Amino acid sequence: QKEVEQNSGPLSVPEGAIASLNCTYSDRGSQSFFWYRQYSGKSPELIMSIYSNGDKEDGRFTAQLNKASQYVSLLIRDSQPSDSATYLCAVNSNDYKLSFGAGTTVTVRA
Amino acid sequence: DAGVIQSPRHEVTEMGQEVTLRCKPISGHNSLFWYRQTMMRGLELLIYFNNNVPIDDSGMPEDRFSAKMPNASFSTLKIQPSEPRDSAVYFCASSDPGFQPQHFGDGTRLSIL
Repeated sequence: QKEVEQNSGPLSVPEGAIASLNCTYSDRGSQSFFWYRQYSGKSPELIMSIYSNGDKEDGRFTAQLNKASQYVSLLIRDSQPSDSATYLCAVNSNDYKLSFGAGTTVTVRA
Repeated sequence: DAGVIQSPRHEVTEMGQEVTLRCKPISGHNSLFWYRQTMMRGLELLIYFNNNVPIDDSGMPEDRFSAKMPNASFSTLKIQPSEPRDSAVYFCASSDPGFQPQHFGDGTRLSIL
C-alpha cells in the first residue's frame, strides 16, 4: 500500500464549478498535511497547510482533514482556467519526511 | 524574500560526465532536501540535511550520487559518472524544523545524452 494515495484523475471541471480532490494516507501518526500545486514544467508550490481536524479556508481553497479516517481533501471553489495544474497531497510521516501522492491533474474548461 | 535558488536551470551533458547541481536554501531554514522527479516515479526524496549534516541519504540511488552542505547557505548534488537514466528534474527544498512545509526551488532539468 502506498503511503499517500490520491484520486488518479485527470479531473476536468467547467469554469466556475467546484473541483474536489481527495487524498488518503497510511501512517496514523502523521501530524501535518499539505497541498502543493504544480504547473507543467514548474516546481511544486505550497497552497495549503492543515494540522488539525476540520476545515481550513484560504480564498477559493478549502482543505479538510479527518485523522480518524486518514483522509484529507482540497476543494477549489469557482474554478478558473488558471487553476489547471497538478495538485500534490503531501503528508509528514515524521518530523522531516514528506510523503507525496502521485498527484491529480485538474483541467478547468473555459 | 528570496526563495530557494537552484542552478543551473537546465543541464544537458553526455553520458559519463560529472554533473553538479547547486542550491541556496531560504535564509534561516535549517532543513534542506534534494528530490528527483520523473513521470514514472513522481517525487523521490534523495537526501535530507539538518543543520548542514546529512541525516537521511537512503534515497540516494547509488554511489554515483553524492551531496554536500558545507554551510547553511549552500548545498551541492553531484553525479559522477552520469548516465541517461539520471535524466530528470532535480529539486531542492528547504524548511524550518519540525512539521513545517517545504519550499521548493525552480529545479534543474537534467538531460544525459
